[in-house]
Amino acid sequence: EAGVAQSPRYKIIEKRQSVAFWCNPISGHATLYWYQQILGQGPKLLIQFQNNGVVDDSQLPKDRFSAERLKGVDSTLKIQPAKLEDSAVYLCASSLGDFRQADTQYFGPGTRLTVL
Amino acid sequence: AQSVSQHNHHVILSEAASLELGCNYSYGGTVNLFWYVQYPGQHLQLLLKYFSGDPLVKGIKGFEAEFIKSKFSFNLRKPSVQWSDTAEYFCAVNRVTGGGNKLTFGTGTQLKVEL
Repeated sequence: EAGVAQSPRYKIIEKRQSVAFWCNPISGHATLYWYQQILGQGPKLLIQFQNNGVVDDSQLPKDRFSAERLKGVDSTLKIQPAKLEDSAVYLCASSLGDFRQADTQYFGPGTRLTVL
Repeated sequence: AQSVSQHNHHVILSEAASLELGCNYSYGGTVNLFWYVQYPGQHLQLLLKYFSGDPLVKGIKGFEAEFIKSKFSFNLRKPSVQWSDTAEYFCAVNRVTGGGNKLTFGTGTQLKVEL
């Protein structure tokens, strides 16, 4: 079974530029998550989707971050404009079932973003 | 707010030594508990999980963890570590709310196993 795919794996941009990350979850997984992992910390949830709808985006800095999952499969996360403190690894995860039930999340390899 | 504490940030062991990594959480309601591992250059992988039932759970590669509800703990153990266990280990606690699954991670423990 193929795992969660993410691209690009690495991205270096200058502050105030924009950047987008792509995620393809495990086939058939209804719920998709984006996390931010700053160096030395554990992953922190940014946004959660159930199919193509947002379940929880309370931790997403909406003034600069946006995410979508238009067809309920792939998802993109965008930062515009980027700040130095956005330097982190952005992880995508997916889980099989309904967001209202406890489930196991499977993680992709992440995109390492460096903002100069 | 829910929090997860991993008390050991860096652990260095010799091969064949026993391992115990501590994990405590703050939430008092129903939780699901996980340990994830990240080997060098690889992505986060599930090591083991607890949803219900026997509080002693066994995972891959000889790891086990014990859920002690009264202590809000989910410590990870392995009787004899190998060099290949060198990795970063994350404890994570999940609770289900109206806003879906809330998975909160600890800050991680970097384990180095020396030959």
